[in-house]
Amino acid sequence: EAGVAQSPRYKIIEKRQSVAFWCNPISGHATLYWYQQILGQGPKLLIQFQNNGVVDDSQLPKDRFSAERLKGVDSTLKIQPAKLEDSAVYLCASSLGQIEQYFGPGTRLTVT
Amino acid sequence: AQTVTQSQPEMSVQEAETVTLSCTYDTSENNYYLFWYKQPPSRQMILVIRQEAYKQQNATENRFSVNFQKAAKSFSLKISDSQLGDTAMYFCAFMNVLYTGKLIFGQGTTLQVKP
Repeated sequence: EAGVAQSPRYKIIEKRQSVAFWCNPISGHATLYWYQQILGQGPKLLIQFQNNGVVDDSQLPKDRFSAERLKGVDSTLKIQPAKLEDSAVYLCASSLGQIEQYFGPGTRLTVT
Repeated sequence: AQTVTQSQPEMSVQEAETVTLSCTYDTSENNYYLFWYKQPPSRQMILVIRQEAYKQQNATENRFSVNFQKAAKSFSLKISDSQLGDTAMYFCAFMNVLYTGKLIFGQGTTLQVKP
């Protein structure tokens, strides 16, 4: 069984630029999550999708972050414009139910 | 609001020995799940073990076991017969049954297993 795929693995941008991350969940997993993991901290949930609907986006900075999950499969997370404090690893996870989550390798973003 | 605290930023253990990682949490809920996740260097996070709050019996998975003290809101992870492959960051996480899917993570403990 293929795991959660993410791309790119690494991205370096300048502040005020835009960036997008892509996630492909495990086949059949209805629930998809995006987490932000700042260096030295635990992951923080940004947004949770159930199929193509948003379940929880209470911690998503909506003035600059957006996410979508078209057709209930792949998802993209966008930051526009990026700030220095957005430097982090962005993790995508998926789950069949909503208990056990499977994580992707993450995208490491550096904002200079 | 629920919080998870891991008070040991770094730990080390000799290969083949036993180590215990600590975790405390704060919640007013009665039904929840607790997890330990492992994040090896430059590799993806994987689930190590899970505990349902309604179960009194401590969960075990091979060399990994937990000590779940619900009244004390404590959830420690014991790794027996430590192996070099256990070197990783370990995260304790909480999930409210009413808000399934929303994991709340602690700050993590970096564990190094020494040969």
